[in-house]
Amino acid sequence: QQQVKQSPQSLIVQKGGISIINCAYENTAFDYFPWYQQFPGKGPALLIAIRPDVSEKKEGRFTISFNKSAKQFSLHIMDSQPGDSATYFCAASSNMEYGNKLVFGAGTILRVKS
Amino acid sequence: DTEVTQTPKHLVMGMTNKKSLKCEQHMGHRAMYWYKQKAKKPPELMFVYSYEKLSINESVPSRFSPECPNSSLLNLHLHALQPEDSALYLCASSQRGLKNEKLLFGSGTQLSVL
Repeated sequence: QQQVKQSPQSLIVQKGGISIINCAYENTAFDYFPWYQQFPGKGPALLIAIRPDVSEKKEGRFTISFNKSAKQFSLHIMDSQPGDSATYFCAASSNMEYGNKLVFGAGTILRVKS
Repeated sequence: DTEVTQTPKHLVMGMTNKKSLKCEQHMGHRAMYWYKQKAKKPPELMFVYSYEKLSINESVPSRFSPECPNSSLLNLHLHALQPEDSALYLCASSQRGLKNEKLLFGSGTQLSVL
């Protein structure tokens, strides 16, 4: 049962272009939505995160757009660079009584061509 | 010290062996996590420790036994593993285990079970 659906599986973008990754969720208990970036041989690293009371959040070249009614959110990477080539995971979290339980999407492998 | 350190980086073990994975952080974080990641898949939560107490066990087989001896250290004891348990095992920590906290991941232990 995939609680967070992510697309596309892979993405090739030209240097300087915009990379867009989409995610959708079903569980309305989710109320925190981070994006993680993972390079080969490394653990995931937090990129940017949003709460559902905000429709957009921007940090540098990275922007999250959030549509609460559609239960969808997306990551936009502006001016994509070869160094952005990595696997990107969207995630969702709800605070359970017992602790933070983070659920990841399937991941998107991004390749930025120079 | 602002990182999560995992040892060993690589581990090969037979199905009858007993081994342990170690995770350490010195940031004063009171929540620590074990995730399992198969190749080209997202991380899957295994266990959460909150203030040194096991707060989430995601129905993980008993051949995986977590231990949190103190607030800085997290172990994962392995016994009688199966080849399908081969994966990257990631440790993470966060300040208090709340949903809007950044999870800081280690680089993982790449485990191969023969």
